[in-house]
Amino acid sequence: GNSVTQMEGPVTLSEEAFLTINCTYTATGYPSLFWYVQYPGEGLQLLLKATKADDKGSNKGFEATYRKETTSFHLEKGSVQVSDSAVYFCALLSMNAGGTSYGKLTFGQGTILTVHP
Amino acid sequence: GAVVSQHPSWVICKSGTSVKIECRSLDFQATTMFWYRQFPKQSLMLMATSNEGSKATYEQGVEKDKFLINHASLTLSTLTVTSAHPEDSSFYICSATNVPGLAASSSYNEQFFGPGTRLTVL
Repeated sequence: GNSVTQMEGPVTLSEEAFLTINCTYTATGYPSLFWYVQYPGEGLQLLLKATKADDKGSNKGFEATYRKETTSFHLEKGSVQVSDSAVYFCALLSMNAGGTSYGKLTFGQGTILTVHP
Repeated sequence: GAVVSQHPSWVICKSGTSVKIECRSLDFQATTMFWYRQFPKQSLMLMATSNEGSKATYEQGVEKDKFLINHASLTLSTLTVTSAHPEDSSFYICSATNVPGLAASSSYNEQFFGPGTRLTVL
């Protein structure tokens, strides 16, 4: 079955530090990969996505590259801000060979990021 | 746009009672809604998928008689935890999409998530 493994948190950084949150996956078919972010008191929001191997998703300074050879989708940001403090979830959506999906997301366990001034 | 709300945001109930949680899409029509459960420091686990006007599809291991899901309109789905027990205490999250999710779709259609409901059963 499908599974997603994220690096354990919490992660605590100083402002302007470099961020990496590791994510690896196992899946059948041709998965699409996602990073979601959950700010305190809010629902999950899609941060970025990649739908095929070697695609790079990017948004708000965050990037992640779909690496099929290592089954990874690590999240990176060159300079974090206090406002980036949140919980980050890696997720996959299993697609079949025809590129269709059934809407079921498989999530990692989430990584809490705290950024100090 | 694409806002999903949940009500209540938290609820405490006695063991044996039933609790209803509402999930609403505020500015779009949600043909499909998903219900997730999240335990502390664990990932979101999909419980069921519901399409408007039809019965929900439950994931393996989820008791359909205990977790009743109704998706009676394009903007509202409800999850009722019947005869709740302390082991049902958890964080329940819904999401909604405006494209039918049970049938194969040509591309991923983003799910918009509610803020979650914290259920505590005493």
